[in-house]
Amino acid sequence: GAVVSQHPSRVICKSGTSVKIECRSLDFQATTMFWYRQFPKQSLMLMATSNEGSKATYEQGVEKDKFLINHASLTLSTLTVTSAHPEDSSFYICSARDPGGPSYEQYFGPGTRLTVT
Amino acid sequence: SQELEQSPQSLIVQEGKNLTINCTSSKTLYGLYWYKQKYGEGLIFLMMLQKGGEEKSHEKITAKLDEKKQQSSLHITASQPSHAGIYLCGVSNSGNTGKLIFGQGTTLQVKP
Repeated sequence: GAVVSQHPSRVICKSGTSVKIECRSLDFQATTMFWYRQFPKQSLMLMATSNEGSKATYEQGVEKDKFLINHASLTLSTLTVTSAHPEDSSFYICSARDPGGPSYEQYFGPGTRLTVT
Repeated sequence: SQELEQSPQSLIVQEGKNLTINCTSSKTLYGLYWYKQKYGEGLIFLMMLQKGGEEKSHEKITAKLDEKKQQSSLHITASQPSHAGIYLCGVSNSGNTGKLIFGQGTTLQVKP
């Protein structure tokens, strides 16, 4: 099946700094990718839809200036957590659909664990 | 907005036992996904059900969709330690934009 990778897998940063997380579709092109976050022992919450060549669409309650999304190519979307604070510590996961595969199937990256100290 | 509720929230079973996880939707289901997640890792796609009454199986895992009840069940037969993890059900919104809404997850432990 299609593969989605994320980098880094873990990151620790100091409060006030910015962190960039990459999501790549390795063997297919994705015009749309999705970003989720997951707190410990909780489910995944959709943060935003990343659209190649256009602005991301954010879910209600997600600060677009806080979580900057850039989808500059058909295989790469980035999520930048700006001025990170401890409450931003979470597990961030991206997903993408393979347009060449079953229309319903989504592939998830392995996730990035962000810890803000 | 649509919500999914999973039950039970956690489950501990002895190896070899069967188990069932339920996922109930607050609205009509237009497609129900089941994923498995190991803690701190990404999601593994198990199966997707699209029609009422549909049933799919993969190895020892079977999922059914009861459209009238707005519910899906995931059944594992003869559980093994490798089945341990978090099981998540998810639905795509009616516009099929690809966005998924997930249930809160069911944590499964299988004791050898």
